[in-house]
Order: sequence, then structure tokens, then C-alpha cells
Amino acid sequence: EAGVTQFPSHSVIEKGQTVTLRCDPISGHDNLYWYRRVMGKEIKFLLHFVKESKQDESGMPNNRFLAERTGGTYSTLKVQPAELEDSGVYFCASSRGGLAGQYFGPGTRLTVT
Amino acid sequence: GDSVTQMEGPVTLSEEAFLTINCTYTATGYPSLFWYVQYPGEGLQLLLKATKADDKGSNKGFEATYRKETTSFHLEKGSVQVSDSAVYFCALTNAGGTSYGKLTFGQGTILTVHP
Repeated sequence: EAGVTQFPSHSVIEKGQTVTLRCDPISGHDNLYWYRRVMGKEIKFLLHFVKESKQDESGMPNNRFLAERTGGTYSTLKVQPAELEDSGVYFCASSRGGLAGQYFGPGTRLTVT
Repeated sequence: GDSVTQMEGPVTLSEEAFLTINCTYTATGYPSLFWYVQYPGEGLQLLLKATKADDKGSNKGFEATYRKETTSFHLEKGSVQVSDSAVYFCALTNAGGTSYGKLTFGQGTILTVHP
């Protein structure tokens, strides 16, 4: 089966611009997660979808971040407007069920200048 | 809240050396514990897991034992290879948390193995 894919692999934008990251989970995986790793620190949870519903968005840093999962398939994470501290690697993961292993995408490296 | 602490890196070893990467955790309830690995240019891959106390997870020569009494899940390998060079992340998920399946990660340990 195809793995989790993310697009783009790398994005460089200026402060104040908008960027949209996309994640395509493994087919049939109802659970989709977004994580972020900033400046070599630990990977931190952003939010969790079950199908198209947000199960937990407690890790979203502020209202500049908007995540959607239309139709319970792919998901997008929009940052608007981007700030310098948003730079980092954004990972997406999917799984079949709560405690099943999560399969990660390769990540999107976001650089805000 | 839940947290995971890993030994500071980077770790540099010669091929065939013994590897230990320490990991301790703080969590309520009965967490499941994981080790993920990220090879250069790739995404995170699940290396091994353990879901209850005294369970031993193993894969590719790596192993880790869930020690509830010491709240630890140390990663070990008896003889490392150059191909093991990667970043290793310890993580937990807690069924008692608000998001079932959400992972809490340690800061990652960079391992470099020289021939």
C-alpha cells in the first residue's frame, strides 16, 4: 500500500505570507494527525482528525493555523499569516485506530524568512 | 501532562559497538511506549513498541523493555551498523488522554555509526 505523502517537501516563504501544507494518509486510515518539530526540539502534537472531524486540536499554537480534512480523506494545514517562529518540519501521520501504530509522512520543511 | 525525556545526543559509535539510548517518561494511566527512527531524508518509521509493563519490543536487532517501576523504555542494540545511523525518538501514547492515540515525543537522539 502507498504510504503517507506530504506536499510540498520544502517551502520557503516570507513573513506575512500564507502557506498550505497537504497530507494524503494511507487509504482506509480514519485517524490523521499533524505534528511539528521546531529547531531540533521534540516533535509536538498539533491536532487529530477522526475521519473529517477534529478530535483534538489542543496542540494548535494559535488561530493563524487552520486544519481541514474534507471528506475524511486528505488534509490541509494552512498558516496565515506566517511568522518566523512557524519555521520547522511539519509531519503528518495516519492510523487505523487509536493505539495502532501511526505511519508518518516524510514531512514538510517550512522556512519563514 | 505527559512527557518523555531522552538522553542527550549526539551519540557516536564505531561499528559493532553496543548501543543504549535512555528514555524515561511521565504519564498518568497506562501508556503505550514506542521507539521511532528517522533515517536521513525519510519520514519517521515505527521501530518497536510495548503496550504494557514488562513487555519487550524488538525489531531489526533493537529491543526495549517497558519498565513501569522505573518509568523507563531504554533502547538497546548489541552490535550497531553504519546503516543504523539515524535520529531515534522515544514516544508514548496514553489511552487516558484527551486524544486517543496522540503521541508525545522525546527530543530525539542523533546516532552516528562509523565504520
